[in-house]
Amino acid sequence: GQQVMQIPQYQHVQEGEDFTTYCNSSTTLSNIQWYKQRPGGHPVFLIQLVKSGEVKKQKRLTFQFGEAKKNSSLHITATQTTDVGTYFCAGSSGGYQKVTFGTGTKLQVIP
Amino acid sequence: EAGVAQSPRYKIIEKRQSVAFWCNPISGHATLYWYQQILGQGPKLLIQFQNNGVVDDSQLPKDRFSAERLKGVDSTLKIQPAKLEDSAVYLCASSLGGTLGNIQYFGAGTRLSVL
Repeated sequence: GQQVMQIPQYQHVQEGEDFTTYCNSSTTLSNIQWYKQRPGGHPVFLIQLVKSGEVKKQKRLTFQFGEAKKNSSLHITATQTTDVGTYFCAGSSGGYQKVTFGTGTKLQVIP
Repeated sequence: EAGVAQSPRYKIIEKRQSVAFWCNPISGHATLYWYQQILGQGPKLLIQFQNNGVVDDSQLPKDRFSAERLKGVDSTLKIQPAKLEDSAVYLCASSLGGTLGNIQYFGAGTRLSVL
């Protein structure tokens, strides 16, 4: 079945440093979504990428979808303590758009 | 607009007991998902409904888990009998459905502890 891996599993950064998480799928995806889950909370949708090579920005967050539509990345510039949480990618494929969540990257920001 | 509602928020049971979770999706959302999230892991899809039909239940342990979505709206997930390894947060999510309509909105989840 479809597998979606993320690296790194954990990342500790000083506030103000940049952060990047990478997502790799075993199969070609129709689209990819990114979610953020705060400690004790539920996943919250951030963005969806659909086109090959697509790049989208949300303030300090930059999302990329690979040319082969099998990988993606999320880059945060100048991290803040509010960025703390676990970031998940979720890839969709197939007729019913089955969604497979990645393993997640837990971000800790040190003030 | 109301979000995805789940109940109960917390449940503590002993192994071999039964438990049921309830989910009310966002109005008009055709697709409903149940996930199991074990501490420190990503959400694992248990079952996906399109209206009241099942489109994916490949990871649902059918010997003990069951789910239904009557009239294509509310859904219940049942575990009978529970095992220690079922301790997790059970998340319900809904989406509009379709190729570009699968952005998922999650409920707060039900935290299950099996003792």
